[in-house]
Amino acid sequence: DTGVSQDPRHKITKRGQNVTFRCDPISEHNRLYWYRQTLGQGPEFLTYFQNEAQLEKSRLLSDRFSAERPKGSFSTLEIQRTEQGDSAMYLCASSPSRSGGHTEAFFGQGTRLTVV
Amino acid sequence: GDSVTQMEGPVTLSEEAFLTINCTYTATGYPSLFWYVQYPGEGLQLLLKATKADDKGSNKGFEATYRKETTSFHLEKGSVQVSDSAVYFCALSAAKGDTGRRALTFGSGTRLQVQP
Repeated sequence: DTGVSQDPRHKITKRGQNVTFRCDPISEHNRLYWYRQTLGQGPEFLTYFQNEAQLEKSRLLSDRFSAERPKGSFSTLEIQRTEQGDSAMYLCASSPSRSGGHTEAFFGQGTRLTVV
Repeated sequence: GDSVTQMEGPVTLSEEAFLTINCTYTATGYPSLFWYVQYPGEGLQLLLKATKADDKGSNKGFEATYRKETTSFHLEKGSVQVSDSAVYFCALSAAKGDTGRRALTFGSGTRLQVQP
């Protein structure tokens, strides 16, 4: 399977614990995005990487959130000191970089986080 | 900022009925427009897209036309099937600054239920 993969698919954690999610994009895609989706809502943009550079962070990304993409390959999203409001589906997407136009983003199946 | 508004669901139809899901947007510049679909238990998949005014995107019997004058991108299908039951998201993508972010801004989704 050469699609976007995310791990784990589900994570239950106690409030105050740290969690880390991993995303493996499609190998030739140099753009990588993280989104958060809460129940009944559409995904909301969190952060964007082009290769290994994190070029933009949404205001939704508080100081407790950090994302990395070492070597421009897989990416991790860490949430420190989790709160119940962090419970959501975290989606990763990747897309190729082509001059001009807007290219399709391919999404993983997401990691569902439940903070208890 | 950019925003997408789509009709609330659920939309319940009988098999072979005509489907319309309304979507309007607000954006600066010239965004690309997308419809994504999320089948139960699966990730977001691109259904169709249109990159400039008057373009018509089509796939699997679904169609949507990019209407700049009404800032709309309504999704239509002439005859729905039970297998079309899913959540449909309208989205736009616009280049941001020098980073070329082009992240997606999503509507809140419309759940379609097709009954046999």
